[in-house]
Amino acid sequence: DAGITQSPRYKITETGRQVTLMCHQTWSHSYMFWYRQDLGHGLRLIYYSAAADITDKGEVPDGYVVSRSKTENFPLTLESATRSQTSVYFCASSESLPWEQYFGPGTRLTVT
Amino acid sequence: GESVGLHLPTLSVQEGDNSIINCAYSNSASDYFIWYKQESGKGPQFIIDIRSNMDKRQGQRVTVLLNKTVKHLSLQIAATQPGDSAVYFCAENAVENQGGKLIFGQGTELSVKP
Repeated sequence: DAGITQSPRYKITETGRQVTLMCHQTWSHSYMFWYRQDLGHGLRLIYYSAAADITDKGEVPDGYVVSRSKTENFPLTLESATRSQTSVYFCASSESLPWEQYFGPGTRLTVT
Repeated sequence: GESVGLHLPTLSVQEGDNSIINCAYSNSASDYFIWYKQESGKGPQFIIDIRSNMDKRQGQRVTVLLNKTVKHLSLQIAATQPGDSAVYFCAENAVENQGGKLIFGQGTELSVKP
């Protein structure tokens, strides 16, 4: 299917575990983004990528790692999950900046 | 201990009425603005955008107004329908300061009464 997909859609993990959230887009957009959404904070940028092998930090990068070996994939890894990382995570892509970003359906992550 | 959740601003309108959702932005250098709609359990969906060299832009049933003097953005929805019920976010971009990244507002919840 064309578009942007995220997996898993729901994840429960324990504190200290490593978790990887996947994001895949079929448009060959250059830019990809990871956001977290928490009540009272809106959408906050974690990391973004301008192209394969080019990534940069956003507003809240601590505790997260990203990679982008292929244009279409942009996985987000929580190296040692903490309860404060319980959130809904959205991946987005954009053909260029600062134009509109297309969002995936989100991953709801709960860290116990 | 028990946490107190922060509540989004809420706008309640009657079906068929016009809705106006407001947004104050923070950076006078912002040159691009965008509105997103987010339905429950889904990702944000693009509605309309506007560049700073414009005051008004119209789409299908939606109009965005930009007042740079007071750093204010509004989204007008004509003939509001139950399907318009969602949270609406404005976002701004200042290429000079943010490297092209969008900064999102907190959102406004629109509730449409049938």
